[in-house]
Amino acid sequence: EADIYQTPRYLVIGTGKKITLECSQTMGHDKMYWYQQDPGMELHLIHYSYGVNSTEKGDLSSESTVSRIRTEHFPLTLESARPSHTSQYLCASTDRYEQYFGPGTRLTVT
Amino acid sequence: SQQGEEDPQALSIQEGENATMNCSYKTSINNLQWYRQNSGRGLVHLILIRSNEREKHSGRLRVTLDTSKKSSSLLITASRAADTASYFCATDEGNAGNMLTFGGGTRLMVKP
Repeated sequence: EADIYQTPRYLVIGTGKKITLECSQTMGHDKMYWYQQDPGMELHLIHYSYGVNSTEKGDLSSESTVSRIRTEHFPLTLESARPSHTSQYLCASTDRYEQYFGPGTRLTVT
Repeated sequence: SQQGEEDPQALSIQEGENATMNCSYKTSINNLQWYRQNSGRGLVHLILIRSNEREKHSGRLRVTLDTSKKSSSLLITASRAADTASYFCATDEGNAGNMLTFGGGTRLMVKP
């Protein structure tokens, strides 16, 4: 069982709300990632980080932002949620090749 | 564009049968990995095969890699109902961030 945690697991919010999805890992990994996944579909990388104070955008354009102030913490923020943001968001980390995933946050924007 | 494409998209078999899933990719890779995802959950790493390897085993899993054809296969032998899940291949192109590009996945159902 991977030591990587995401909260909340499920979230239903209204359009225009600001939300932060939390991701924490206790493995001391420098590299962390955020993926977006629609049900039954492939994962798309939206953000990644090499370490503290490092953040980069991924392949999929996203209106979200991330921060990396501490090694173990990599939160994702949506300033103004829209129905198109409805999806599952997965956080992962690695120290070399294998990625460890959190359980995901299923977000629904009404 | 999608790096990995998996075939079939869905597979339904009886318990005890073998399940084979295929993955094709487009660019040169450092390694290829297979992950499993139970419904509504995160992914779990199953096995990694390096670009200079042709075959690898782990328990009931067997992975092959053909870099000339840019393809890989995952074989699950003697399947169990608990193997029901989605299986994804992911390629590591050797970038500095160890970023992975995932395929669309194969949804496997094993009937008891």
